[in-house]
Amino acid sequence: EDKVVQSPLSLVVHEGDTVTLNCSYEVTNFRSLLWYKQEKKAPTFLFMLTSSGIEKKSGRLSSILDKKELFSILNITATQTGDSAVYLCAVGASGNMLTFGGGTRLMVKP
Amino acid sequence: DGGITQSPKYLFRKEGQNVTLSCEQNLNHDAMYWYRQDPGQGLRLIYYSQIVNDFQKGDIAEGYSVSREKKESFPLTVTSAQKNPTAFYLCASSIDRGRAQVRTGELFFGEGSRLTVL
Repeated sequence: EDKVVQSPLSLVVHEGDTVTLNCSYEVTNFRSLLWYKQEKKAPTFLFMLTSSGIEKKSGRLSSILDKKELFSILNITATQTGDSAVYLCAVGASGNMLTFGGGTRLMVKP
Repeated sequence: DGGITQSPKYLFRKEGQNVTLSCEQNLNHDAMYWYRQDPGQGLRLIYYSQIVNDFQKGDIAEGYSVSREKKESFPLTVTSAQKNPTAFYLCASSIDRGRAQVRTGELFFGEGSRLTVL
């Protein structure tokens, strides 16, 4: 059975801090790893990673994948209150379905 | 504007009643999905459909039913057989029979429906 585990479960930081969110996985026939941000309702797509060691970057957010150690990290630098959300990691594997992790709830205090 | 519309946003139900959650998309996507999200948890797949008149069970299909009579619509019925139906339900779609969601990350979500059983 495919498995995706995110850590920490929740995190409270102050504005300006840097945070690292973790996602580890055990899946058959890995194809891609995706990060989503869920603020209130609908998750929105952040990154898709398919190759090890290649950093994807968008503003203050960046992510990298390690296919040997089976994990990914999502970094957020200079956090802002608007970064407060649940961050979801999902892995696409055999059967073309996505398996989601439990999410990390990030709260950024002013 | 193209997108996915779910309704109702909030729904209350008495035990023993069936309820149907609506999901409509005008993105011309082939594949549609229903996920369930419980507090502090990730998304779990209930049902998915890759083409009209066809659908498959996901990981937690028991107590739920779906139909896909039109490409644009994928309603979910939460039946009285679902033992713990209080949850947040998300509908999603992707462009190409489930394959593109993995290659491109293009899984589009609706705003969700929150169901509470009294």
